[in-house]
Amino acid sequence: GQQLNQSPQSMFIQEGEDVSMNCTSSSIFNTWLWYKQDPGEGPVLLIALYKAGELTSNGRLTAQFGITRKDSFLNISASIPSDVGIYFCAGNEKLTFGTGTRLTIIP
Amino acid sequence: GAVVSQHPSWVICKSGTSVKIECRSLDFQATTMFWYRQFPKQSLMLMATSNEGSKATYEQGVEKDKFLINHASLTLSTLTVTSAHPEDSSFYICSASGGGERFGQYFGPGTRLTVT
Repeated sequence: GQQLNQSPQSMFIQEGEDVSMNCTSSSIFNTWLWYKQDPGEGPVLLIALYKAGELTSNGRLTAQFGITRKDSFLNISASIPSDVGIYFCAGNEKLTFGTGTRLTIIP
Repeated sequence: GAVVSQHPSWVICKSGTSVKIECRSLDFQATTMFWYRQFPKQSLMLMATSNEGSKATYEQGVEKDKFLINHASLTLSTLTVTSAHPEDSSFYICSASGGGERFGQYFGPGTRLTVT
């Protein structure tokens, strides 16, 4: 079956730093979605990507759909405390979720 | 827009009893709803996909007789965990889609089930 690997698994950064995480797949995806999940809550959709090569921004967040359709990255610029959480990539209509990247901001 | 609610947000039940969880799309019609399970510090695992008015499609390894799904209307889907056991304790999350890949999936806030 399809597998999505996210890296890094966890990140410890200082407020104001930029963040970059990526997601790779063993097979081609037609859609990439990035979600953020806070503890005890459901995931919230951040960015949706629908075409290979597409680069989309949402405020301080930028994500790209890889040309090979097997990878995607998410960048967060100038991180703030509320960016803390777990970020998941997911692909296709019947979502396959990545393993998650836990972001922690060091005061 | 695209708000999905779940009820209850948490529930504790005794082993052997059944629990029903509701998922509602509040401001759009959800042609498809999905049910996920998430164990602590793990990713979301899809349990089943349901389309309004038809039987749910279950993922491999998910017992359809144990996890009963009903998608009676375009705004409501229910998941019933029958004869719950402690190993069913988990975070159950639904999502809803208005149809078509570009709509995306919007998630409910989740329901934490604890079976004692």
